[in-house]
Amino acid sequence: GQQLNQSPQSMFIQEGEDVSMNCTSSSIFNTWLWYKQDPGEGPVLLIALYKAGELTSNGRLTAQFGITRKDSFLNISASIPSDVGIYFCADNTGNQFYFGTGTSLTVIP
Amino acid sequence: DAGVTQSPTHLIKTRGQHVTLRCSPISGHKSVSWYQQVLGQGPQFIFQYYEKEERGRGNFPDRFSARQFPNYSSELNVNALLLGDSALYLCASKTGGADTQYFGPGTRLTVL
Repeated sequence: GQQLNQSPQSMFIQEGEDVSMNCTSSSIFNTWLWYKQDPGEGPVLLIALYKAGELTSNGRLTAQFGITRKDSFLNISASIPSDVGIYFCADNTGNQFYFGTGTSLTVIP
Repeated sequence: DAGVTQSPTHLIKTRGQHVTLRCSPISGHKSVSWYQQVLGQGPQFIFQYYEKEERGRGNFPDRFSARQFPNYSSELNVNALLLGDSALYLCASKTGGADTQYFGPGTRLTVL
């Protein structure tokens, strides 16, 4: 199956700082999805990317679909306490969704 | 509109027992998928159903089964529970051709 590796595994940052995390795959993807999961909740879709090189923003979040189609990054600008959670990248291949290993973000007020 | 709903929210079972988890998709969504999320890991795909037919299956043993009803709700069944089945079970729904899916809050299963 697909392997999605996310880095870093965890991050501790000060409120107001910018954050960058990335995801790499062992295969070429047609779609990159970024989800955020709060404790005890299901993942919530943040951004969907459909074309190589595509750069998409959602408020303070920006994500890019790598031109090799094997990677993607997610940036969060001016972090706030509610950004705390686990961020997952995911891909939809055929009828299966594959999720990455996750990046845990802690924002220190 | 209501999002994806799942029941129960929490469940405690003992080894060897059977469990049934339920999911209602977003209105208009005909595709339902099930995932298992062990603590500290990303969700692992178990099944996808579309129009009551199984369209995808992940690498899970035959103890795991599912079905989808005419109203597009779905059940996940797990037989002969093992300690390792303890996890958050997530249901997600989407429209047939969409690439994005929407998750429910999950059912937390604890096997003792």
